[in-house]
Amino acid sequence: DGGITQSPKYLFRKEGQNVTLSCEQNLNHDAMYWYRQDPGQGLRLIYYSQIVNDFQKGDIAEGYSVSREKKESFPLTVTSAQKNPTAFYLCASTPREGTRNTIYFGEGSWLTVV
Amino acid sequence: QKEVEQNSGPLSVPEGAIASLNCTYSDRGSQSFFWYRQYSGKSPELIMFIYSNGDKEDGRFTAQLNKASQYVSLLIRDSQPSDSATYLCAVSANQAGTALIFGKGTTLSVSS
Repeated sequence: DGGITQSPKYLFRKEGQNVTLSCEQNLNHDAMYWYRQDPGQGLRLIYYSQIVNDFQKGDIAEGYSVSREKKESFPLTVTSAQKNPTAFYLCASTPREGTRNTIYFGEGSWLTVV
Repeated sequence: QKEVEQNSGPLSVPEGAIASLNCTYSDRGSQSFFWYRQYSGKSPELIMFIYSNGDKEDGRFTAQLNKASQYVSLLIRDSQPSDSATYLCAVSANQAGTALIFGKGTTLSVSS
């Protein structure tokens, strides 16, 4: 079945470590997004990419990095510069540019700093 | 900074009642409006989307949009305990295909 796969579902990071969250989609969608959600809060945009080899910073990009080498894949690296990374991370995609496209979400990844 | 505002709740209604969830947005250029339902620990799932002023109905759900007032709402008729969740309002920023901007969500509790 088509969909968005995020892995791992749960991840523990030590202080000072970089970690990478995987996001793969087989929906042939052009645009992909990373959101962060803190408890009791809405979704905040970290990065998004509308085409391969191009991506844009969202509202809270500091301490994160992404790449978009393939249409299907949009991994997110949480670097040691991100001081408070414990959160629920959601990857999403839409079929193409434009405002009338429904956004599809993966199941999310929980990151905890230990 | 473009913003989407929602009352965080909790909004409590008895089973069978109508739940009314409200959302305002700051960007007058917004074109598309979405309501997502999110259960605790899960990813959001799409409930409704609306693009034009007025009402749009889908089963027990009705979305209402008033662009002049920059206001969008979601009505849930015959509320069920399974409707208990956080409801997120999301707005598209502009026509360039940038990502949705989400509100913080309203927590709905339906008591049986």
